[in-house]
Amino acid sequence: GQQVMQIPQYQHVQEGEDFTTYCNSSTTLSNIQWYKQRPGGHPVFLIQLVKSGEVKKQKRLTFQFGEAKKNSSLHITATQTTDVGTYFCAGREIGSGGGADGLTFGKGTHLIIQP
Amino acid sequence: NAGVTQTPKFQVLKTGQSMTLQCAQDMNHNSMYWYRQDPGMGLRLIYYSASEGTTDKGEVPNGYNVSRLNKREFSLRLESAAPSQTSVYFCASSEGRAANTIYFGEGSWLTVV
Repeated sequence: GQQVMQIPQYQHVQEGEDFTTYCNSSTTLSNIQWYKQRPGGHPVFLIQLVKSGEVKKQKRLTFQFGEAKKNSSLHITATQTTDVGTYFCAGREIGSGGGADGLTFGKGTHLIIQP
Repeated sequence: NAGVTQTPKFQVLKTGQSMTLQCAQDMNHNSMYWYRQDPGMGLRLIYYSASEGTTDKGEVPNGYNVSRLNKREFSLRLESAAPSQTSVYFCASSEGRAANTIYFGEGSWLTVV
């Protein structure tokens, strides 16, 4: 079955440094979603990427979808303490349908920020 | 606007006991889901209901049962709890199988001793 690998598992940064997490799928994806989970909280949808090579920005967050639609990245510029949490990617395999049953979540990257 | 509400938030069970996690959404969503989250394992789908009246197994269904009571409510039952079911459980919903955004509840922390 489809596997979605996410690296790194943990990332420690100093406040103000940049952060990047990478997501790689074993199969070609129809789209990929990103979620953020604050410590003790629940996952919250951030964005969905659909097109090959797509790049989307949300303030300091930049999301990219690879040309082959098998990988994606999330980059945060100048991290702030509010960025602390776990970032998950979730890939939808081609032909799997639109609901959450067709999503495979990566194991997440825990972002720890040192002031 | 409550979104997805699940109860209880915390529960301690003894091995062999049974319990039901309740979930309700007020967004008129068609599809609902139950996930479990364990350290280092990410989110794993237990069961889902694509629409009212239907339920299907996800990645890790063993030891669980579900009921889609109506469009709003989707419950998860542990018939005979085991320590391996100690986890954080999240209920979630989406508009339908063509929808993009998955909305999660706040989670239920379950410990089986």
